[in-house]
Amino acid sequence: AQKVTQAQTEISVVEKEDVTLDCVYETRDTTYYLFWYKQPPSGELVFLIRRNSFDEQNEISGRYSWNFQKSTSSFNFTITASQVVDSAVYFCALSESVYNDMRFGAGTRLTVKP
Amino acid sequence: EAEVAQSPRYKITEKSQAVAFWCDPISGHATLYWYRQILGQGPELLVQFQDESVVDDSQLPKDRFSAERLKGVDSTLKIQPAELGDSAMYLCASSLVSVRDRVSPLHFGNGTRLTVT
Repeated sequence: AQKVTQAQTEISVVEKEDVTLDCVYETRDTTYYLFWYKQPPSGELVFLIRRNSFDEQNEISGRYSWNFQKSTSSFNFTITASQVVDSAVYFCALSESVYNDMRFGAGTRLTVKP
Repeated sequence: EAEVAQSPRYKITEKSQAVAFWCDPISGHATLYWYRQILGQGPELLVQFQDESVVDDSQLPKDRFSAERLKGVDSTLKIQPAELGDSAMYLCASSLVSVRDRVSPLHFGNGTRLTVT
């Protein structure tokens, strides 16, 4: 069964700092799908990014970027020039099949201070 | 943007009582999920539907929990009898059917916060 580990329970940064959220996953499948979600204080989970296991190209989208390394089973997420509105709990998630049985990590609480 | 609708937003019930949650997914989304999120933890998948069929209910405590999606659209999750440990946020999500190179993200509702006293 798949497993997602987010070792960082809480992170606190000052506005405009860059911050990286770590995610390590376990799976026996060769094809799988990775996601990052944001859960602000309002409670709704918001989709941020996704990555297929067979596409290791790393990308940047605005202030968000991600680093997918299959060799270390890691899928880290970076916010550049953090803002107070980025304060939320961030979840890494993994689906092992096209049926999209998504499993989540325990989350990292990010606090951005002004 | 279309949303996943859930009701009620909050529910307080006494242990041993029955409780039900309702979810209406985004129109056209064939896949529907129920997750349970205990405070301070990540969401845990309870049940997944593809249209009206259950795809995965391996983590659903079937002695007290049941879920249905009779017409392949909206869904109901029921707990009977409720226990103190069931206090959590119950999240519904939906997605389009995925294909190999394009797994669809899940879209979540606002959830139902259940408190069992």
